[in-house]
Amino acid sequence: DGGITQSPKYLFRKEGQNVTLSCEQNLNHDAMYWYRQDPGQGLRLIYYSQIVNDFQKGDIAEGYSVSREKKESFPLTVTSAQKNPTAFYLCASSMFGSLIDEQFFGPGTRLTVL
Amino acid sequence: AQSVTQLGSHVSVSEGALVLLRCNYSSSVPPYLFWYVQYPNQGLQLLLKYTSAATLVKGINGFEAEFKKSETSFHLTKPSAHMSDAAEYFCALNDMRFGAGTRLTVKP
Repeated sequence: DGGITQSPKYLFRKEGQNVTLSCEQNLNHDAMYWYRQDPGQGLRLIYYSQIVNDFQKGDIAEGYSVSREKKESFPLTVTSAQKNPTAFYLCASSMFGSLIDEQFFGPGTRLTVL
Repeated sequence: AQSVTQLGSHVSVSEGALVLLRCNYSSSVPPYLFWYVQYPNQGLQLLLKYTSAATLVKGINGFEAEFKKSETSFHLTKPSAHMSDAAEYFCALNDMRFGAGTRLTVKP
């Protein structure tokens, strides 16, 4: 079945550690996205990529980094510079990354900083 | 600037009652608008989208939404609520800008 997978489902991190969240899609979509979800704030865009080896910052990129070495993969690293990383992280993809394209979402990763 | 405002963070209806979830937008370009649904601890899935082809858009699970340019609105409705409709609903603008969400509770 085509879709988006995110791993792990739950992740615990100690303060000062970097962690990487995995996102893989087999939909052959060009564009991929990372969102952060906090209660009452909806989804906020962290980074997005419309083509391999290229990505752009979203509204809240500080303290995060990404790479897009393969079309199907878009990992997100939460660095120690992110002051409040505890949140639910959602990865998504869309066919061409145009404004009209719907996004397909993964099941999410819940990150907790201990 | 582009923005989306969802009026009401929580909406509660009785089973069988009308569901109305409100969304207003601000956009300097012709908007494309989306409604997504999220069940607990899951990702979002698309309910419907407006792409300028028709102002009344029908989606899955009996939901529909009407684009009103004069009111800059794209409200989501369903004539009769079902218990399985209980979830969080997000309005989105131009693919990457999401509202804060509205949690729908359905009472038996």
